[in-house]
Amino acid sequence: GNSVTQMEGPVTLSEEAFLTINCTYTATGYPSLFWYVQYPGEGLQLLLKATKADDKGSNKGFEATYRKETTSFHLEKGSVQVSDSAVYFCAYASSGSARQLTFGSGTQLTVLP
Amino acid sequence: GAGVSQSPSNKVTEKGKDVELRCDPISGHTALYWYRQSLGQGLEFLIYFQGNSAPDKSGLPSDRFSAERTGGSVSTLTIQRTQQEDSAVYLCASSYAWQVGNEQYFGPGTRLTVT
Repeated sequence: GNSVTQMEGPVTLSEEAFLTINCTYTATGYPSLFWYVQYPGEGLQLLLKATKADDKGSNKGFEATYRKETTSFHLEKGSVQVSDSAVYFCAYASSGSARQLTFGSGTQLTVLP
Repeated sequence: GAGVSQSPSNKVTEKGKDVELRCDPISGHTALYWYRQSLGQGLEFLIYFQGNSAPDKSGLPSDRFSAERTGGSVSTLTIQRTQQEDSAVYLCASSYAWQVGNEQYFGPGTRLTVT
């Protein structure tokens, strides 16, 4: 069935380290792909998105490229900050009539000063 | 402008009681979604409303769960005869349906604890 698999956490990095959180999906057609972030005590916020193959989503220094050939949407940031500490969720929305999001299990990121 | 709002923010109830959770979507958004976030199951889709169409109930875990959306705006999720496994954070989201990329905006959630 359709699913999203993302790197299990928790991930702990030092400030200014490079971040990669892997995400792969199983879906038919041409889904739209998303990264959502949940900061401590806050709701889910959209971080970035990509709607077609080879698109690159970017926001706040984070990037992810829609790779259809590998069905992946890995999240990267060149230099993380303490304020990036949060839970990151990879998700997709199908291209069919049902537009609900299917989420990965989330990856807890802690950045130490 | 105002985001998605949900009430109550926290709800503690006894097993077997009924609960109602409310969601006010962003004005003008025609699509409304309910999700559940729990430790064991992660984020799960529950139900989807689009305009005046029949809702997509495919994610509801049992017939104790129901939802309605009045006037194409406010939605209420009702859980009857609550069980301890219903304890979770219930999230509501809204979007402009059919928009490419279907960006969903989430509310802060209602934390439900069944004792």
